[in-house]
Amino acid sequence: SQTIHQWPATLVQPVGSPLSLECTVEGTSNPNLYWYRQAAGRGLQLLFYSVGIGQISSEVPQNLSASRPQDRQFILSSKKLLLSDSGFYLCAWISRVRTEAFFGQGTRLTVV
Amino acid sequence: AQTVTQSQPEMSVQEAETVTLSCTYDTSENNYYLFWYKQPPSRQMILVIRQEAYKQQNATENRFSVNFQKAAKSFSLKISDSQLGDTAMYFCAFMLGSGSGYALNFGKGTSLLVTP
Repeated sequence: SQTIHQWPATLVQPVGSPLSLECTVEGTSNPNLYWYRQAAGRGLQLLFYSVGIGQISSEVPQNLSASRPQDRQFILSSKKLLLSDSGFYLCAWISRVRTEAFFGQGTRLTVV
Repeated sequence: AQTVTQSQPEMSVQEAETVTLSCTYDTSENNYYLFWYKQPPSRQMILVIRQEAYKQQNATENRFSVNFQKAAKSFSLKISDSQLGDTAMYFCAFMLGSGSGYALNFGKGTSLLVTP
C-alpha cells in the first residue's frame, strides 16, 4: 500500500535560519507530489508541485523553494526564514486515477 | 484558475442532528473531481467523500452525502446523525480531470462543532 512520510512534525526556527522539510512516498512510482501551507485558521494554499524528478512548478512567489532529487522524495527549503513563513506545511501525493490525495502528517513550523 | 468558496467559516450542530456545509466552485472545464476533506484537531487530512463531475448521481458514504449541482457549480456536504467525532475543519476541494499538475484547490474551510 502507498504511504507518505513527512518530517519533522514540529520545528521552531529563528528568523534568518535555513529550512529543510522532507517528504517521501512509498508504494508507488513517478508520483505527482505537492507542498501545501495552511496558515492559522485558513485553508490550504498550494506552494509547489512536481510531476517528476527535477521538475518543479511554483504556484506563488515566496521565500521558499522546492526540489525533487529522487522519484519519491520532495523537499521544501528556505535559505533564510521569515516570520511570515510560520504555518502548517503538508506534503501530498495524488493518485494517477485521481481517487484522492494522500497527505503526510504535516509539519508545524514556528519562526521566532 | 479554479476557485473554491466555502461561505460558512463556522457552524454548529447538535449531536444526532443533520447539518449541511456549502461549497461553490468556479471553472470553465467540464472534466473534474470534487472532494470533501475532514481535518480533525490532529490536523491529519482525511478524505470524506469524492464526486466525479461526469456522474449525475450524488455520492454517499454512510452518514455523509453530497448534493452536486453541476449547472450551479455547487457541491454541498450533508452530515446525518452528527456525532461528536465529526467535530473538525471541513474543506471542499476541486481537481481538474486532465493536465499534468492536477493539484487540489481548496476552499478556506468550515469549522464544524458538534455539541452534546
